[in-house]
Amino acid sequence: QSVLTQPPSASGTPGQRVTISCSGSSSNIGSNTVNWYLQLPGTAPKLLIETNNQRPSGVPDRFSGSKSGTSASLAISGLQSEDEADYYCAAWDDSLNGVVFGGGTKLTVL
Amino acid sequence: EVRLVQSGAEVKKPGESLKISCKVSGYSFSEYWIGWVRQMPGKGLEWMGVIYPGDSDTRYSPSFQGQVTISADKSISTAYLQWSSLKASDTAMYYCARHLSQLRWGWFDPWGQGTLVTVSS
Repeated sequence: QSVLTQPPSASGTPGQRVTISCSGSSSNIGSNTVNWYLQLPGTAPKLLIETNNQRPSGVPDRFSGSKSGTSASLAISGLQSEDEADYYCAAWDDSLNGVVFGGGTKLTVL
Repeated sequence: EVRLVQSGAEVKKPGESLKISCKVSGYSFSEYWIGWVRQMPGKGLEWMGVIYPGDSDTRYSPSFQGQVTISADKSISTAYLQWSSLKASDTAMYYCARHLSQLRWGWFDPWGQGTLVTVSS
């Protein structure tokens, strides 16, 4: 049972907009920043969004992040087949004194 | 270019010890936290802990405290994750990653390629 809650799966067709939610509490998302990671099949995770909504260099602007209260969301617009991957949210947790991850969301492009 | 290169896959028996490594290049090793993340087969990511190589300040997840040891050697820009007595449940992929910014506000970037540890009798 992960501290941050994500839907286990999400799907969309090419060109669609998909959102993935990440729900936490006052000790993690409510008081700290949220980061998102992308893990393509068989590869190491890669940073997608940092500090709630900042895209690192090289990440397409189709990806955007937001945070409100104790929840965060990742939005992917103009869905492409290469977006099929696992997506993880993460945040520092003040109670556990460490980083907590969501359980991951497997995105399928139909 | 910032790179984290991890040691190769390991196959061990229960009860054996193991130390895997993460060699970094392209930045000042002493100035950034390095973290370790576990991914069990078919499962999600779990934060194990971090070390600040500059002064060896180390923080562990409660789930991994006492189960593993995180260390670093500044002279060769390498971080380590070790076990004194492996269990079958330690079978997993282990990733190292540089932690940018302060711990509470930071993020992992980049990540190593992963080290697969298989523990089986």
